[in-house]
Amino acid sequence: DAKTTQPTSMDCAEGRAANLPCNHSTISGNEYVYWYRQIHSQGPQYIIHGLKNNETNEMASLIITEDRKSSTLILPHATLRDTAVYYCIVPMTGGFKTIFGAGTRLFVKA
Amino acid sequence: GAVVSQHPSRVICKSGTSVKIECRSLDFQATTMFWYRQFPKQSLMLMATSNEGSKATYEQGVEKDKFLINHASLTLSTLTVTSAHPEDSSFYICSARGARGADTQYFGPGTRLTVL
Repeated sequence: DAKTTQPTSMDCAEGRAANLPCNHSTISGNEYVYWYRQIHSQGPQYIIHGLKNNETNEMASLIITEDRKSSTLILPHATLRDTAVYYCIVPMTGGFKTIFGAGTRLFVKA
Repeated sequence: GAVVSQHPSRVICKSGTSVKIECRSLDFQATTMFWYRQFPKQSLMLMATSNEGSKATYEQGVEKDKFLINHASLTLSTLTVTSAHPEDSSFYICSARGARGADTQYFGPGTRLTVL
């Protein structure tokens, strides 16, 4: 089973920030949180990852709670092209096996 | 980010034939590669994990004799679907990562297999 839970779907207005939550309450101390997205009929695209500190790159920001049991992916100015399924992943240590949950289907609306 | 390619992107074959899908890491050495399968409107399902030079580890329910995986080099893994049947029609996706503990896993663009 996936080690994360996410809402099934979310809507966001174009130009507004999209905040996608993820719960990973069983995460252990040395496990990273990764975010990917999948646009229809394509392979997943890497977005960002983090361990303890908040992270930011050209695509998004990742906010991880102090207890590391949850995180939020922030797309600061969502565009129509950000419509996709977003996956929050915690790869297993000792092999890095990655189990995908259902993800969050984000709809960005004009 | 790093680039992972897959070939072919799309293949149609007759029932009973075998199909080989290649996965290459283009700009990094992939110690570990993963193969996933995705059916319409479903999430990715991990099929197997392969480490360079070792036998692949298959997930429960995945037939190792039907889905042959070879990871002969640090940049290439292949998945062969043997004696393909219509129920094997799916979207097959590979991913690759390097050796370091925090190395990111990068995904290929996927291969659409249709078995007639």
